[in-house]
Amino acid sequence: AQSVTQLDSQVPVFEEAPVELRCNYSSSVSVYLFWYVQYPNQGLQLLLKYLSGSTLVKGINGFEAEFNKSQTSFHLRKPSVHISDTAEYFCAGNTGFQKLVFGTGTRLLVSP
Amino acid sequence: DAGVIQSPRHEVTEMGQEVTLRCKPISGHDYLFWYRQTMMRGLELLIYFNNNVPIDDSGMPEDRFSAKMPNASFSTLKIQPSEPRDSAVYFCASTPRSDTEAFFGQGTRLTVV
Repeated sequence: AQSVTQLDSQVPVFEEAPVELRCNYSSSVSVYLFWYVQYPNQGLQLLLKYLSGSTLVKGINGFEAEFNKSQTSFHLRKPSVHISDTAEYFCAGNTGFQKLVFGTGTRLLVSP
Repeated sequence: DAGVIQSPRHEVTEMGQEVTLRCKPISGHDYLFWYRQTMMRGLELLIYFNNNVPIDDSGMPEDRFSAKMPNASFSTLKIQPSEPRDSAVYFCASTPRSDTEAFFGQGTRLTVV
């Protein structure tokens, strides 16, 4: 069965610093991978997705992620974070059979 | 499109009562999912439907939980009887096909006292 692992439960960072949120997946078949963001008391919003093609995926709010098949990773990055990026970030994946599986989430805390 | 619509946004009920959560997916989306989010367990997939048919309900925690999708524009998640440990945020999501992202509703925050 496929699984998605987010290695960090919380990542503190200063404003305007770069950040990387890590995500690893385990699957023996092709996967579709996603990053979602959840602001307090809100639903999940799609940041970006990898379905096929270019392994570097750009999303909203300046975020990007790179699909690395050899390392089974899909890390999320942003070169310069803002206070408003403080939120919970979820990595998710499925194999096309539509059982979308989520990681446990990483709380990004941006301080001035 | 208004997106996935869930109601109510908040529900407070007493232990033992029946609770019904409602979801209207995005028009044209063939897949519908119910998730539960708690601090302890994160996001859990409870059940999902394809073309109104339940495909996988292995995440439904107990027989107290049931879900239906009588038509393409409406689904319910029912808990009977409710217990305090059912307190969580319940999300509904939909997607048009198997190779793209799911769109989430705003969630229903359920508190069972």
